[in-house]
Amino acid sequence: AQTVTQSQPEMSVQEAETVTLSCTYDTSESDYYLFWYKQPPSRQMILVIRQEAYKQQNATENRFSVNFQKAAKSFSLKISDSQLGDAAMYFCAYRSDRAGNMLTFGGGTRLMVKP
Amino acid sequence: GAVVSQHPSRVICKSGTSVKIECRSLDFQATTMFWYRQFPKKSLMLMATSNEGSKATYEQGVEKDKFLINHASLTLSTLTVTSAHPEDSSFYICSARAWGLADYNEQFFGPGTRLTVL
Repeated sequence: AQTVTQSQPEMSVQEAETVTLSCTYDTSESDYYLFWYKQPPSRQMILVIRQEAYKQQNATENRFSVNFQKAAKSFSLKISDSQLGDAAMYFCAYRSDRAGNMLTFGGGTRLMVKP
Repeated sequence: GAVVSQHPSRVICKSGTSVKIECRSLDFQATTMFWYRQFPKKSLMLMATSNEGSKATYEQGVEKDKFLINHASLTLSTLTVTSAHPEDSSFYICSARAWGLADYNEQFFGPGTRLTVL
């Protein structure tokens, strides 16, 4: 079974600075997807960014980018120019490419943004 | 597009009663819906996968007679917590996998339902 590990329960960043959230995963599959989700206080899950394992190029979405290291099974999220609205729980998630497509979530990292 | 709603957003019930939570895909058809449970300050734990027109697949440790899931149409799945007890109090989140959209394999999440059992 796949496992996803987020080793940082909490992180703090100064507004306008850059922060990196870590995620590692364990799988024997070669084809899969990785995601970062944001859960603000409203509890609504919001997709931040996704990465297909077969793509070598790291995904980027505006201020959000990932560092995907397939061999090391690492998938970190970098948030540039942090804003107060970025404060939330961030979950890393893995999804197999096989039928079923269920998501396996990491334990989450609480990001605090200081003004 | 790709909006998922849940109803109710929060519910308080007495121990021993049953509670039904609805998950609807508002602007797309969802062949598959997922039900998650989230404890305070914890991650999402998959409870079951619901496929339209067939029986749900439950994760290990989830009581299927306790958490009844029905996926009767391509836009609606329901989770019924039967004979609820205080330990069933939690935040329940559904997600739906879109059919026919460009991002077919994407899961879209509902806003969640907070269940409190007294």
